[in-house]
Amino acid sequence: LAKTTQPISMDSYEGQEVNITCSHNNIATNDYITWYQQFPSQGPRFIIQGYKTKVTNEVASLFIPADRKSSTLSLPRVSLSDTAVYYCLVGFSGGYNKLIFGAGTRLAVHP
Amino acid sequence: GAVVSQHPSWVICKSGTSVKIECRSLDFQATTMFWYRQFPKQSLMLMATSNEGSKATYEQGVEKDKFLINHASLTLSTLTVTSAHPEDSSFYICSARVHSTASGYGYTFGSGTRLTVV
Repeated sequence: LAKTTQPISMDSYEGQEVNITCSHNNIATNDYITWYQQFPSQGPRFIIQGYKTKVTNEVASLFIPADRKSSTLSLPRVSLSDTAVYYCLVGFSGGYNKLIFGAGTRLAVHP
Repeated sequence: GAVVSQHPSWVICKSGTSVKIECRSLDFQATTMFWYRQFPKQSLMLMATSNEGSKATYEQGVEKDKFLINHASLTLSTLTVTSAHPEDSSFYICSARVHSTASGYGYTFGSGTRLTVV
């Protein structure tokens, strides 16, 4: 399983764009990159998943460079409700991998 | 779709008693489920993987006789914390693997169970 490295914490203000970068140097050819969001006392919630280039959905964008050794989660115009822990995970090849969580990034959005 | 329902959301029990936590897949069949434990300000730690109809696979350091996992049907997995002690107090989360249109497989999580042992 590819190990991931993320910043431990980030601070932002309402209305700003937040970019969280994750390093995964040992990503395998068949691995996908997935980001989860977790609020206190709740289970993680799926945000976005991608394999290469750029993926966008209604809540976020995911940018993946050609070498796929890193990825960046972009949250446009964050609000206070985006304060949470964000986890980057890789390794869905074959569907038999178990999810191993890294430390995640604790994002605090301030008024 | 792909909803996992976890109950109870919180439980308080006396030291020495056992507690059962249920995880149900509501609109899909979950052949594989995972159980995590999370302490305050820490990440999720995988405890075990349960496969329907077979014995669970425990991660290193997790006591299988203390954390009993049963996955008797395609929609239900249970975690029983036996002879609970205060150090077992934690947030327990289940997860199920589901089919994903992108990667082939994805994962959905229960809402978690806050266990407090007094």
